[in-house]
Amino acid sequence: SQQGEEDPQALSIQEGENATMNCSYKTSINNLQWYRQNSGRGLVHLILIRSNEREKHSGRLRVTLDTSKKSSSLLITASRAADTASYFCATDASLMDSSYKLIFGSGTRLLVRP
Amino acid sequence: KAGVTQTPRYLIKTRGQQVTLSCSPISGHRSVSWYQQTPGQGLQFLFEYFSETQRNKGNFPGRFSGRQFSNSRSEMNVSTLELGDSALYLCASSLYGTRGLLTGNTIYFGEGSWLTVV
Repeated sequence: SQQGEEDPQALSIQEGENATMNCSYKTSINNLQWYRQNSGRGLVHLILIRSNEREKHSGRLRVTLDTSKKSSSLLITASRAADTASYFCATDASLMDSSYKLIFGSGTRLLVRP
Repeated sequence: KAGVTQTPRYLIKTRGQQVTLSCSPISGHRSVSWYQQTPGQGLQFLFEYFSETQRNKGNFPGRFSGRQFSNSRSEMNVSTLELGDSALYLCASSLYGTRGLLTGNTIYFGEGSWLTVV
């Protein structure tokens, strides 16, 4: 199963409202990243939070990380129709040769209604 | 500067055929990773190349292979295509690759190549 699991799977809100997405993971991490994917397109990097950080902001984005609960949340404030996309969390997972790979959650599909 | 470029964007192949996808990373980036995205399995790591060497590999059969050239461009090949190989294949580039994850190295993705196997 995947390292990260997003909750909810789908979210529909009105423009101007805030959207909160949650991500849970299973093993210890060094970093957690959030990505956005518009339908049928590539992934756009939003924000990276390190394991020793608890909160990070970038524009209308606010990410929190609780390593004790192995969870993270992404808050998008004052949402816009253009925020409609799928959002994924990704954690690093160590491999046998001491390198790492990104493991993605299942994603949250966000729909912002105008 | 230019982003990660993947070609082709869309292609349709028949079962049993093979396919080659290409990825040009961001200028200066030496690491290229490949991911497969399907509705059922989500985003899964295929392999990573760094300075022409395969650094690590995901849990995919040997039909999936790749290589990286001296200019950091990468290709991935899938032989003996199966219906289940239909997916969006994403390429990602970064300066230090996944070992740089420890220091918060950002990984940038291309638009992907949509492969449909019929």
